[in-house]
Amino acid sequence: DAGVIQSPRHEVTEMGQEVTLRCKPISGHNSLFWYRQTMMRGLELLIYFNNNVPIDDSGMPEDRFSAKMPNASFSTLKIQPSEPRDSAVYFCASRSTPLAGAGEQFFGPGTRLTVL
Amino acid sequence: GQQVMQIPQYQHVQEGEDFTTYCNSSTTLSNIQWYKQRPGGHPVFLIQLVKSGEVKKQKRLTFQFGEAKKNSSLHITATQTTDVGTYFCAGTGGSNFGNEKLTFGTGTRLTIIP
Repeated sequence: DAGVIQSPRHEVTEMGQEVTLRCKPISGHNSLFWYRQTMMRGLELLIYFNNNVPIDDSGMPEDRFSAKMPNASFSTLKIQPSEPRDSAVYFCASRSTPLAGAGEQFFGPGTRLTVL
Repeated sequence: GQQVMQIPQYQHVQEGEDFTTYCNSSTTLSNIQWYKQRPGGHPVFLIQLVKSGEVKKQKRLTFQFGEAKKNSSLHITATQTTDVGTYFCAGTGGSNFGNEKLTFGTGTRLTIIP
């Protein structure tokens, strides 16, 4: 199993540009999560999907952020326009339906975003 | 909203010494998980605790879930250089249906002095 795949691994862009981060979850997993990690705020959940449907987007910072999951094997997180304060590592994680509790989440390697 | 704090924020230990990190939630948790993140890496699941007062062991690691389900701890016996990383607890509140989102703790960064 290839695990959760994220692309790109690194992204450097200028303020005002559109940024699209991509995620391929583990095959057979039906939940997908987008997280953001910074030194100041730690690891924050942005949004999560169950069976391709957004369940909770309360962590999305503002309207500049949007996420989609058009099918079970692909999701995107878009920032438009980007700002320097969006610089962070963005992780995607996936999970299958747990038998108990919240269930193990499998994280991708992350995308390190730098907005100049 | 739910807040999960961990102490200490940083811990430096001599190789072979024990290490403990504590996790405290502002609300009662339905279950708690622990993750490890190596420097430059991504979080990796270690364990999940569901029952009040539950204790689980993985080799040198011992995990506890408090009786009130508002706190948890991770204890490592005789640390090794491979234990270096940041340890996060992550909790869910409310019902136990598996749809709950995780709230991650602030993390404890462990460094080992060889």
